[in-house]
Amino acid sequence: QVQLVQSGAEVKKPGASVKVSCKASGYTFTSYGISWVRQAPGQGLEWMGWISAYNGNTNYAQKLQGRVTMTTDTSTSTAYMELRSLRSDDTAVYYCAKDSGYGFDYWGQGTLVTVSS
Amino acid sequence: SYELTQPPSVSVSPGQTARITCSGDALPKKYAYWYQQKSGQAPVLVIYEDSKRPSGIPERFSGSSSGTMATLTISGAQVEDEADYYCYSTDSSGNHRNVFGTGTKVTVL
Repeated sequence: QVQLVQSGAEVKKPGASVKVSCKASGYTFTSYGISWVRQAPGQGLEWMGWISAYNGNTNYAQKLQGRVTMTTDTSTSTAYMELRSLRSDDTAVYYCAKDSGYGFDYWGQGTLVTVSS
Repeated sequence: SYELTQPPSVSVSPGQTARITCSGDALPKKYAYWYQQKSGQAPVLVIYEDSKRPSGIPERFSGSSSGTMATLTISGAQVEDEADYYCYSTDSSGNHRNVFGTGTKVTVL
């Protein structure tokens, strides 16, 4: 069965960086992309970007350009999302999702990133 | 930046029909997708490509799109359908700027 397992919760200080991992299993990792979505406390969903697990091509939300980097390690079927220069409004639950090409059909469990001094 | 607008809330009695709208300028050219998110859980895809239902999603969920508006319909809403619903699509600029709608809280009582 398809599973996306994310790394654990993080607490970071303003200005720091965070790197969240998303380990995929149960499907051919390189056949699909991974999208990252975040949700601030009590707020809606925000699409952050997408990476092709086949060739590493990326597409980032304009708002996060320059602060976010998405990568994959095909040897371990793991996707990564790094966000730099963290601010308090980056506090959110971060999700990875398998992009089937017909929507995000499987999601990770979410990783809470708290940015606080 | 591109925006998808949804009503903040919709209330419906059990067994009645709930309709959630999503308005966006690019919807005549781009597909809409719908996600259900229950409290404390990850979202679940309930409709893709405007009107297609993934396997395992109950038939009471349906989608349609006309002009600049996409609609998710829950026919015969159940108590377990109470959740936040988000539409998702992309702009028509060619830059693949994807966005979620503002979200709609559906209350079934």
